[in-house]
Amino acid sequence: AQSVTQLGSHVSVSEGALVLLRCNYSSSVPPYLFWYVQYPNQGLQLLLKYTTGATLVKGINGFEAEFKKSETSFHLTKPSAHMSDAAEYFCAVSRSGSEKLVFGKGTKLTVNP
Amino acid sequence: DSGVTQTPKHLITATGQRVTLRCSPRSGDLSVYWYQQSLDQGLQFLIQYYNGEERAKGNILERFSAQQFPDLHSELNLSSLELGDSALYFCASSVGGRGLRGYTFGSGTRLTVV
Repeated sequence: AQSVTQLGSHVSVSEGALVLLRCNYSSSVPPYLFWYVQYPNQGLQLLLKYTTGATLVKGINGFEAEFKKSETSFHLTKPSAHMSDAAEYFCAVSRSGSEKLVFGKGTKLTVNP
Repeated sequence: DSGVTQTPKHLITATGQRVTLRCSPRSGDLSVYWYQQSLDQGLQFLIQYYNGEERAKGNILERFSAQQFPDLHSELNLSSLELGDSALYFCASSVGGRGLRGYTFGSGTRLTVV
């Protein structure tokens, strides 16, 4: 069965600092990996996804993530945090050919001025 | 606006009651997924429908049921409600049955059971 572990339920950074949100997955087959963002009182919005091909994936709002098979990781980064990045971020995994997305517990990002 | 519509946005009801949550998928999407989000359990997959048929089942209680209608909208029925059923219920949709392009989520229905 697949699972996702997000290290750190809360991450706090200063505006302009690097954002690094960690995600490790467990999957018995090549995974499909996703990052979603949830702003307060809203649904989840897809940030980026990895299915096949290039392991460095660029998403919206300046975020990117790198699929590292040897480390079973898919960490999310952004070079310079903005106040508007404050939200909760969810990593999710799906088996290739499977329909179900399994989500991590989420990481709440706080951006300090 | 994501294109996925969920109604109602908020629902307050008493224990033992039954409620119906409604979801209209994004235009052109055939799959509908239901998720429950709570503080202790996080996002839990409940059930998926694809073009009117049940495709996958997750941690859905027997008190809960869902269906997808010919016009592709879906309803999640929750009965014999308990305090622990209080949560955010999300509907998501995708083009195909495999969700490989990612899902589009609605803004959710917040259910409070008192």
